[in-house]
Amino acid sequence: EAQVTQNPRYLITVTGKKLTVTCSQNMNHEYMSWYRQDPGLGLRQIYYSMNVEVTDKGDVPEGYKVSRKEKRNFPLILESPSPNQTSLYFCASSSLADFTDTQYFGPGTRLTVL
Amino acid sequence: LAKTTQPISMDSYEGQEVNITCSHNNIATNDYITWYQQFPSQGPRFIIQGYKTKVTNEVASLFIPADRKSSTLSLPRVSLSDTAVYYCLVGDMGSGAGSYQLTFGKGTKLSVIP
Repeated sequence: EAQVTQNPRYLITVTGKKLTVTCSQNMNHEYMSWYRQDPGLGLRQIYYSMNVEVTDKGDVPEGYKVSRKEKRNFPLILESPSPNQTSLYFCASSSLADFTDTQYFGPGTRLTVL
Repeated sequence: LAKTTQPISMDSYEGQEVNITCSHNNIATNDYITWYQQFPSQGPRFIIQGYKTKVTNEVASLFIPADRKSSTLSLPRVSLSDTAVYYCLVGDMGSGAGSYQLTFGKGTKLSVIP
């Protein structure tokens, strides 16, 4: 089954404690990205990657890091989380072929930073 | 990047046709228009995509005028389960020359009333 998986689904942490949210897809997609969703602000892109070792900033990259060492994985790293990073995070992947930009989304990770 | 503007919210009664319009005055030649639907605490899911004129699938229709500066998502005979947030995206992926950054914006919250 084609899917995007994220772990953990829920996380409560404290300010400054480094954390990683994993994202994996089994569709051999070139493109992967991370979004955060906050009430009243919609869905905002954090980082995206067009292929292995290629990453670019989205609209709100401050405070986040990503890496793309393998095609299937795209972890989101918060080196020093702060309360303003409390949010619902979605990972997504898509193929770049044929002008298609249908994105497959993961189930979401609800992060609370105290 | 082409910026999109949508109504923040809309209400409709069950069984009615709903039209949600998105403005994208700065759309580029290679940009496609894509609509997504999102239910609470779930990732967005693809509804329909088009480049020009009219596109129809089993879920919705997408109307794009000749100047492509706007588009209208049409949902026929909505039901309560269509209550969701609808996002209009404009972007170009796959051509090798366009931006791969996707901006979802705040979307349109559709509430279907019994």
